[in-house]
Amino acid sequence: GAVVSQHPSWVICKSGTSVKIECRSLDFQATTMFWYRQFPKQSLMLMATSNEGSKATYEQGVEKDKFLINHASLTLSTLTVTSAHPEDSSFYICSASRASYGYTFGSGTRLTVV
Amino acid sequence: TQLLEQSPQFLSIQEGENLTVYCNSSSVFSSLQWYRQEPGEGPVLLVTVVTGGEVKKLKRLTFQFGDARKDSSLHITAAQPGDTGLYLCAGAGNAGNMLTFGGGTRLMVKP
Repeated sequence: GAVVSQHPSWVICKSGTSVKIECRSLDFQATTMFWYRQFPKQSLMLMATSNEGSKATYEQGVEKDKFLINHASLTLSTLTVTSAHPEDSSFYICSASRASYGYTFGSGTRLTVV
Repeated sequence: TQLLEQSPQFLSIQEGENLTVYCNSSSVFSSLQWYRQEPGEGPVLLVTVVTGGEVKKLKRLTFQFGDARKDSSLHITAAQPGDTGLYLCAGAGNAGNMLTFGGGTRLMVKP
């Protein structure tokens, strides 16, 4: 089956630093990758959609300069939270999509900014 | 913008009881998926329904897609403590392949 690996599973960083989260589709090439943010006890909120080799499409209210997305290959997308602040602390989840595989989610990254 | 309303938001029941979770929208979806999420983990796909009126069963879980493909339900029979978790419905639209998530239903099954 389709597997998506997300790394790291958790990270603690100091305010003002940047953090990179990786999302890899291990056994398939993902047409599109999605990045979500999830607050405690809430549903997933789509942040951005990225296609390999093109700029990501950000949802309304998501700062593209703060949440940098790079989709360099069909198996790898990265989300970089730049100049992180405590309010950026959240659970970030990626998802990879391909027609025959549907949607597969990563295991999430718990970011804590102190 | 396609919206999915999921209800109830929270459900606490005793082991052995039955329950139903609903997802409703005014939009038509090409497919609808149900996920279960444990704390600190990503959502895990339970089922995908594609055809209007479709019913799928997964052990004690029964999923139904509305005839007009605007709504769906998840029915759990004889709930067990292991069913505890966050249940999410998500619809795929006809334009593009983006998923729209419902607000989630947090289920707690007490022994």
